[in-house]
Amino acid sequence: DAGVIQSPRHEVTEMGQEVTLRCKPISGHNSLFWYRQTMMRGLELLIYFNNNVPIDDSGMPEDRFSAKMPNASFSTLKIQPSEPRDSAVYFCASSSGTGIQPQHFGDGTRLSIL
Amino acid sequence: GESVGLHLPTLSVQEGDNSIINCAYSNSASDYFIWYKQESGKGPQFIIDIRSNMDKRQGQRVTVLLNKTVKHLSLQIAATQPGDSAVYFCAERGGSARQLTFGSGTQLTVLP
Repeated sequence: DAGVIQSPRHEVTEMGQEVTLRCKPISGHNSLFWYRQTMMRGLELLIYFNNNVPIDDSGMPEDRFSAKMPNASFSTLKIQPSEPRDSAVYFCASSSGTGIQPQHFGDGTRLSIL
Repeated sequence: GESVGLHLPTLSVQEGDNSIINCAYSNSASDYFIWYKQESGKGPQFIIDIRSNMDKRQGQRVTVLLNKTVKHLSLQIAATQPGDSAVYFCAERGGSARQLTFGSGTQLTVLP
């Protein structure tokens, strides 16, 4: 079975540039989560969607960050403009909405802003 | 200046021995707990979960124990293998929200 698929796996760009991270959740999962992982702060939830609708975006750092889920099989996390402090590994996870189910993670996008 | 990062607790065990990784959680309303394993360069991988109405659950070579009185969760790995070397995270779900709150992780190193 295909797991959560994220792209790109690595992204290196200069500050000020727009960055778009992509995620394809596991088929049939109706909850999708975006996380950021850094050595300083560990694993932090940025935003999550249920049935393509953003439910809680309180973890989004600031207005430079935005996330969309146009359909059940695709989500994007966009940073514009990017800053060096945005450098981190960004993970997408999905879970089934039936009862209490674990989240399944992709392998992340390692983002470096120069 | 010097940057300060998270100080990951570490646990080193001999191959073949049992490992116990501990986690303290903060929210007495949490109703669901998960253990994840994260290898270098990969995303967290689901290991085992437990609901708050249970105090023990077993999987293949792993057991999770939940003590709600002291808000403590542990992961026991039997006959630890080199492939078990990774960072292990506990996570809790507080009530009806779908969000998980993750601990800072424990680095497990299996010695040959």
